[in-house]
Amino acid sequence: AQSVAQPEDQVNVAEGNPLTVKCTYSVSGNPYLFWYVQYPNRGLQFLLKYITGDNLVKGSYGFEAEFNKSQTSFHLKKPSALVSDSALYFCAVSPVGSASKIIFGSGTRLSIRP
Amino acid sequence: NAGVTQTPKFQVLKTGQSMTLQCAQDMNHNSMYWYRQDPGMGLRLIYYSASEGTTDKGEVPNGYNVSRLNKREFSLRLESAAPSQTSVYFCASSEVLSVRDYGYTFGSGTRLTVV
Repeated sequence: AQSVAQPEDQVNVAEGNPLTVKCTYSVSGNPYLFWYVQYPNRGLQFLLKYITGDNLVKGSYGFEAEFNKSQTSFHLKKPSALVSDSALYFCAVSPVGSASKIIFGSGTRLSIRP
Repeated sequence: NAGVTQTPKFQVLKTGQSMTLQCAQDMNHNSMYWYRQDPGMGLRLIYYSASEGTTDKGEVPNGYNVSRLNKREFSLRLESAAPSQTSVYFCASSEVLSVRDYGYTFGSGTRLTVV
């Protein structure tokens, strides 16, 4: 069965420190990989994607994600956290060529303390 | 460019009442989706419509019905609301090419409480 796992319900980081939000997936083939962010009372917003090519992809707000095919992981990272990064983050995968049924992880709440 | 518009934003229902959540997109996308979001459970797919005229069940379809009224609109109906349907509901849309670019486009959600 295809699935996405975000093993941490919550990640707490001090402002200025690096952050990592973990994601692993189980999908056949070479899927598209995404990270979305959700601020309070808002819908999900696209943050970044991996389609092919360089394993380190850069996205909005200084976030980046590292694709590791052997570990089937797509961890979200940021070198220096800001309080405004506090939000709910979702990892998602889509089988190549499919416009239907992106699979979402359960979400990780990121809390950045001043 | 409004993207995906959901109405209403908030709703309180009594157990047994019915209601329809509305969703419309202006991006000419073929595919549309309804998700529910519950704490600790992430997003769960209720129903989706891969193209106009088709609908399919997702992970948690029980207690819901959908209508793909036209290419723009995809509604979700609760025939007899139950407290277990208290949740935040998100509509989303996509196209094959747009999935490659940015996945889905989401509406801002409907917060539904069933008492």
